[in-house]
Amino acid sequence: GESVGLHLPTLSVQEGDNSIINCAYSNSASDYFIWYKQESGKGPQFIIDIRSNMDKRQGQRVTVLLNKTVKHLSLQIAATQPGDSAVYFCAENWGAPAGNKLTFGGGTRVLVKP
Amino acid sequence: KAGVTQTPRYLIKTRGQQVTLSCSPISGHRSVSWYQQTPGQGLQFLFEYFSETQRNKGNFPGRFSGRQFSNSRSEMNVSTLELGDSALYLCASTPGEGAPIRETQYFGPGTRLLVL
Repeated sequence: GESVGLHLPTLSVQEGDNSIINCAYSNSASDYFIWYKQESGKGPQFIIDIRSNMDKRQGQRVTVLLNKTVKHLSLQIAATQPGDSAVYFCAENWGAPAGNKLTFGGGTRVLVKP
Repeated sequence: KAGVTQTPRYLIKTRGQQVTLSCSPISGHRSVSWYQQTPGQGLQFLFEYFSETQRNKGNFPGRFSGRQFSNSRSEMNVSTLELGDSALYLCASTPGEGAPIRETQYFGPGTRLLVL
């Protein structure tokens, strides 16, 4: 993943609108992708995952889309709420044949305006 | 089930010292991974332990080491601390079977280390 330093990309969204967060991943061999949400002072919290044999997966108010052709991942949040304000990270798992090793994107800050 | 716990939550050290951080995984989880989070480099993988053995390793210098105990609890150690080691250190656990079935990693709250 790329580092974006102190200045995270920020998505400002009106409460009730839909949010779309994009992520480019680096390794075409990655077979598992995860979106995490991180609130201030907390560790990353699992939102939704998708395996490479799928191109779409839906959860509660969230949808993840995977485009392997262009190595792109997106997270859609429906009816964004104030509690959705956080930093969102995509992560890809492509470590050794066994085990779990995540490579994270730089993150996107989502600010929900009331 | 209780989540991943990490101790201590906050730590202040001076350059040259060494530090040990502890992680207790979710009950029944056998794999523990460690990550470093900084504003400049983001979230970076340090290493993964499974059944007391290091299974994956990131690109960090040898000053960073870890171990896992028979009860799956893990510790990481950083020797000869540098200012740049100031970071949030996160621990994550999974059931541990790994590939071909990739597993979701569940994170603890982290230990914030400040090196002066």
